Amino acid sequence: QSVLTQAPSASGTPGQRVTISCSGSSSNVGSNYVYWYQQLPGTAPKLLIYRNNLRPSGVPDRFSGSKSDTSASLAISGLRSEDEADYYCAAWDDNVNGWVFGGGTKLTVL
Amino acid sequence: QLRLQESGPGLVKPSETLSLTCTVSGDSISSSSYFWGWIRQPPGKGLEYIGSVFYSGTPYYNPSLKSRVAVSLDTSMNQLSLRLSSVTAADTAVYFCARALSSWYDDGFDVWGQGTLVAVSS
Repeated sequence: QSVLTQAPSASGTPGQRVTISCSGSSSNVGSNYVYWYQQLPGTAPKLLIYRNNLRPSGVPDRFSGSKSDTSASLAISGLRSEDEADYYCAAWDDNVNGWVFGGGTKLTVL
Repeated sequence: QLRLQESGPGLVKPSETLSLTCTVSGDSISSSSYFWGWIRQPPGKGLEYIGSVFYSGTPYYNPSLKSRVAVSLDTSMNQLSLRLSSVTAADTAVYFCARALSSWYDDGFDVWGQGTLVAVSS
């Protein structure tokens, strides 16, 4: 069982806006930054959002992150077929003194 | 351009020690101010943090692996190393090395290696 909770799957049609949620606790999401990673099949994770809502250079502004209390969300607007991937949230956990990840959400573009 | 490349045996026997290296090119581990880490992913499953280290500090480890794991930096070789002892089939995974965004221990990883699959089997 992952420390951070994500729905195992999500879906949307091209052009649609989808949201992926990540639920944690006061020791991780509630007190530290949240990071989002995109993983295409057979590849390494790619940093999508850092420090709750910042995008690395090269990440389209269709991707946005937010955080409230012990929950965080990743929103993807203008959904495209190439967005079909697994998405993971992560945060530092003060109780275990290490990184914790969500179980991942598999996004399907219908 | 920063590049990370994992290497090591693709097959390890149960109860033995898994040893991997991550060769860093395009940056110097000793001169840079970043945390470096290892993350693994069992086949068909999610990501699991193994450990991370700064060039001048004490490593951080996943508590569930702490008794078996060692992460270190070899500045002379510009490499990051991972040793995981007493392996079982549950340690079968793709192992990734990664560099953090900064020198903060709690800043995420922005550069990743391609990963290397290690199977534990007799």
